[in-house]
Amino acid sequence: AQTVTQSQPEMSVQEAETVTLSCTYDTSESDYYLFWYKQPPSRQMILVIRQEAYKQQNATENRFSVNFQKAAKSFSLKISDSQLGDAAMYFCAYRSYWGRDDKIIFGKGTRLHILP
Amino acid sequence: DTGVSQDPRHKITKRGQNVTFRCDPISEHNRLYWYRQTLGQGPEFLTYFQNEAQLEKSRLLSDRFSAERPKGSFSTLEIQRTEQGDSAMYLCASSLASQGNEKLFFGSGTQLSVL
Repeated sequence: AQTVTQSQPEMSVQEAETVTLSCTYDTSESDYYLFWYKQPPSRQMILVIRQEAYKQQNATENRFSVNFQKAAKSFSLKISDSQLGDAAMYFCAYRSYWGRDDKIIFGKGTRLHILP
Repeated sequence: DTGVSQDPRHKITKRGQNVTFRCDPISEHNRLYWYRQTLGQGPEFLTYFQNEAQLEKSRLLSDRFSAERPKGSFSTLEIQRTEQGDSAMYLCASSLASQGNEKLFFGSGTQLSVL
């Protein structure tokens, strides 16, 4: 069974600085998808960024980028120019390739604090 | 399109009572998921539907839990004979199934407290 591990329960970063959240996963599959979701205090989960395992190029979405290391099974999220609105729980998530297993497995999350 | 809506937002019940939650997905979405989230944890998969068919149920979903999506639109999650361990946030999400990397849209959840 696939597992997702986020080893940093909490992190803090100064506003406007850069922070990296770590995620590792375990799978025997070669094709899959990885995601980062954000859950602000309102509790509504929002997709931040996604990566297809077959793509070597790291995904980017504005101030958010990932460092995908397939061999190491590592998928970290980098937030540049941190803003107060980035304060939230961040969840790393895994999904098997299309048609194999359609549930998304989440890690336990990292709470990110932004210091003004 | 108002997104995924869940009702109620909060539910307090006594142990042993039955509760039912409702989820209204985004109208054109054919996939609907239920997750459970306890404090300090990530969402745990419970079950999902493609249209009206329930395609997978987690082992976490005991016989006291049942979910339906009768017409492939809204879904209900019922918990019978609630226990204190059922206290959690119940999240619903929907998506338009495509190649597997489709974005899930989440509701704001139903917070259940079992006294």
